Amino acid sequence: GNSVTQMEGPVTLSEEAFLTINCTYTATGYPSLFWYVQYPGEGLQLLLKATKADDKGSNKGFEATYRKETTSFHLEKGSVQVSDSAVYFCALTANTGTASKLTFGTGTRLQVTL
Amino acid sequence: GAGVSQSPRYKVAKRGQDVALRCDPISGHVSLFWYQQALGQGPEFLTYFQNEAQLDKSGLPSDRFFAERPEGSVSTLKIQRTQQEDSAVYLCASSLGQVNSPLHFGNGTRLTVT
Repeated sequence: GNSVTQMEGPVTLSEEAFLTINCTYTATGYPSLFWYVQYPGEGLQLLLKATKADDKGSNKGFEATYRKETTSFHLEKGSVQVSDSAVYFCALTANTGTASKLTFGTGTRLQVTL
Repeated sequence: GAGVSQSPRYKVAKRGQDVALRCDPISGHVSLFWYQQALGQGPEFLTYFQNEAQLDKSGLPSDRFFAERPEGSVSTLKIQRTQQEDSAVYLCASSLGQVNSPLHFGNGTRLTVT
């Protein structure tokens, strides 16, 4: 079956530090890959996505590259801000049936301090 | 509406009670999903509607869980004879329905069974 594994949190960084959150996946077919973010008290929001191998998704300074050879989709940001503090979820859809049926990882909490 | 609306925001039920959770999707969105998010975990798929048709209910954990969307808009997730293990945040999401259409999530209903 499909599964997503992401690094456990919490991740605590100082403002302007470099961020990497690792994500690897197992899937049948050719999945699309996503990062969702959940800010405190808010619903899940799509942060970025990539639909095929070697695609790079980017948004708000965050980037992730779809690496088929390593089945990975690591999230990176060059300089984090306090406002980036949130829980980040890696997810995939298998594109083999139900439109947009997402399989999520367990989430990684990011805490950015001054 | 501006986004996916869920009600109530919080629900406390005594074990054995029935509960009903409501989801108002974004107008015009044909696909509607329910997810269950246990504390510290990622969301897990429960069921999926395309208009009024329930196309996938493979994630419903038991026959105590029932979902409907009779007119292809508002959806209700009903849990009968609630148990403590049903305590979780229940998320609703909607999309335009094409493959890779982004999901728009509501803020969820936090259910606590005492």
